[in-house]
Amino acid sequence: DTEVTQTPKHLVMGMTNKKSLKCEQHMGHRAMYWYKQKAKKPPELMFVYSYEKLSINESVPSRFSPECPNSSLLNLHLHALQPEDSALYLCASSQGEGETYEQYFGPGTRLTVT
Amino acid sequence: GQQVMQIPQYQHVQEGEDFTTYCNSSTTLSNIQWYKQRPGGHPVFLIQLVKSGEVKKQKRLTFQFGEAKKNSSLHITATQTTDVGTYFCAVAGGTSYGKLTFGQGTILTVHP
Repeated sequence: DTEVTQTPKHLVMGMTNKKSLKCEQHMGHRAMYWYKQKAKKPPELMFVYSYEKLSINESVPSRFSPECPNSSLLNLHLHALQPEDSALYLCASSQGEGETYEQYFGPGTRLTVT
Repeated sequence: GQQVMQIPQYQHVQEGEDFTTYCNSSTTLSNIQWYKQRPGGHPVFLIQLVKSGEVKKQKRLTFQFGEAKKNSSLHITATQTTDVGTYFCAVAGGTSYGKLTFGQGTILTVHP
């Protein structure tokens, strides 16, 4: 199984809502990532988890809160978002954390903040 | 952090024409990866180049890594409509181990 799954596919939320994005992989990968992608732009790294521990936080606002309950699951908790946070949120995984590993991306969650 | 410049930003070709996208860095790269993202899709890994002067082929796609490991290219021979999408190069993030930094991408449109 070389698939990364993400739920939901689409999410519309108000600025006062709390919601969570979920990501799952069953490839035995030890590193998992959250990216944000705006239209016609490259993915921008938000967080990296390695062996279930947060290893990189790219100065992401605290209204985004990542969680890695186990080696197969990655969540992104959203609270008090702004309209400019509307984007495609991509989850990815790789065999390890490091520059030599290819990353497998999920289909993404398209988030709209109203 | 590590940065890479990718050109062109857009490329429109007729089906059957060739296509090339380039990535350039001011510093020596340890390796470079290439990804393709179809419209409405997600990035999909194509290849990784590690060695100076390396050339790899995947059917109609040819990937090159420069001798100085500061530039790379992706060349598609005789484009097809299935080649439509955005092609990104990606490089390791320098001081942040595990960080992958993507180039701006080249959006390829193929007219039948």
